This record gives sequence, structure tokens and C-alpha cells, in this order.
Amino acid sequence: ELKVEQNPLFLSMQEGKNYTIYCNYSTTSDRLYWYRQDPGKSLESLFVLLSNGAVKQEGRLMASLDTKARLSTLHITAAVHDLSATYFCAVDSYGGSQGNLIFGKGTKLSVKP
Amino acid sequence: DAGVIQSPRHEVTEMGQEVTLRCKPISGHDYLFWYRQTMMRGLELLIYFNNNVPIDDSGMPEDRFSAKMPNASFSTLKIQPSEPRDSAVYFCASSSEQGALPWNTEAFFGQGTRLTVV
Repeated sequence: ELKVEQNPLFLSMQEGKNYTIYCNYSTTSDRLYWYRQDPGKSLESLFVLLSNGAVKQEGRLMASLDTKARLSTLHITAAVHDLSATYFCAVDSYGGSQGNLIFGKGTKLSVKP
Repeated sequence: DAGVIQSPRHEVTEMGQEVTLRCKPISGHDYLFWYRQTMMRGLELLIYFNNNVPIDDSGMPEDRFSAKMPNASFSTLKIQPSEPRDSAVYFCASSSEQGALPWNTEAFFGQGTRLTVV
């Protein structure tokens, strides 16, 4: 059974600081996704990582994937309040054809002035 | 495209009543997923369809839950009878394999239905 673990689950940080969210998964997969969810809202796709070594950046967020270590990271640079949200990683449960996405429990990020 | 459309956005019902949630996936997407989100259990996959056929329903909690996809543009999730522990936000998502291998199987989510069973 595929398990996806994120840490930390809660993160309170000050504006301007850097931090990394980790996503570990338990089985072979080369497809990993990061989503953002604002309170009371739906999930919004942030990054699609489809191969070992993939790195994507958007603004102050950068995501990477190491399929050998079964690890993805979401790095936050110089955090701002607008980044406050819950961030989920999700792993495709099948390595080949389409499968379903198994989500981590999410990391609730709070950026304080 | 308008994205994945779910209805209703909010539903309050009494215990024992039947509840039907509806979803219209993105046109051209051939995978449809139903997820449930609660504080305690996070995001759980209930069932998913490929080309209107249920592929994996192992996440459906019990026989009170059923899902159908009569055509490529419509799916329902029904709870009968509903219980207070079914209170949650139910999300529908759709996707399609895109591009060359490894396929981008990114799922796009609807706005969700917040269900409250009293």
C-alpha cells in the first residue's frame, strides 16, 4: 500500500525566512504533484514533477523530486504572508499507466509578519 | 473550459436521508475521482473511474455509499442513508494522461461539496 508522509504537518514561520517541506513516499513512482489549499477552498495545482531530478520553480516556491530516495521537497524562500495555506503532496499510485493520487496529510503553513 | 463543476456547494441534511452529490468533469478528461476530506482523516480517495467505468472503489467506506458515471460528462456520489459521521467536504477531480511518457496525470479539482448531516 502506498503511503505518503509529509513533514512537518504544521509550520509557523516569519516573513523573510526560508524553510523546506518534505514529502516521503513508500513505493516506486516517478510522478509527484504539489497542491495548495486555502481555507474553505479547493485544491490548486502548483507543481508537476515527472522524473528523477525534476526541479520546478514558481516565485518563492521551488519543488524537487528524488525518485531514488522517494523524496520530494518544497522549498520556500523569503516567505510572505500570501503563502499561508495548506500544502499537499500527492503521488500517483501506479508507476506505469494512470493510477489514482494518494495524498499526504498536508502541511499547514502560517507566515507571520 | 469552466473546470470541474460540483453541485451543490453546501448540503445540510438530516440523518437517514439520501444525499446525492454531482460532478461534471473537464471536457475530454477520461479519469474522474471522488475524494473526501475531513480534519481527522485528511484527503481520502473514495472511488475513481476511467472512461465511465469504476476502476477502484476500495475507498468507499461502506455500502451506504455508491457512485455512478452514466456518461463522460456526469458523475454522482450517493449516500443512503446518511449519518452524521459522513459530514465532510467531498471533492470531485478529473484528469487525463497528457504528453509523452511519463504521462502527466495531474488532477484538477472541483470546488467541493460541504456536507453536513445533523
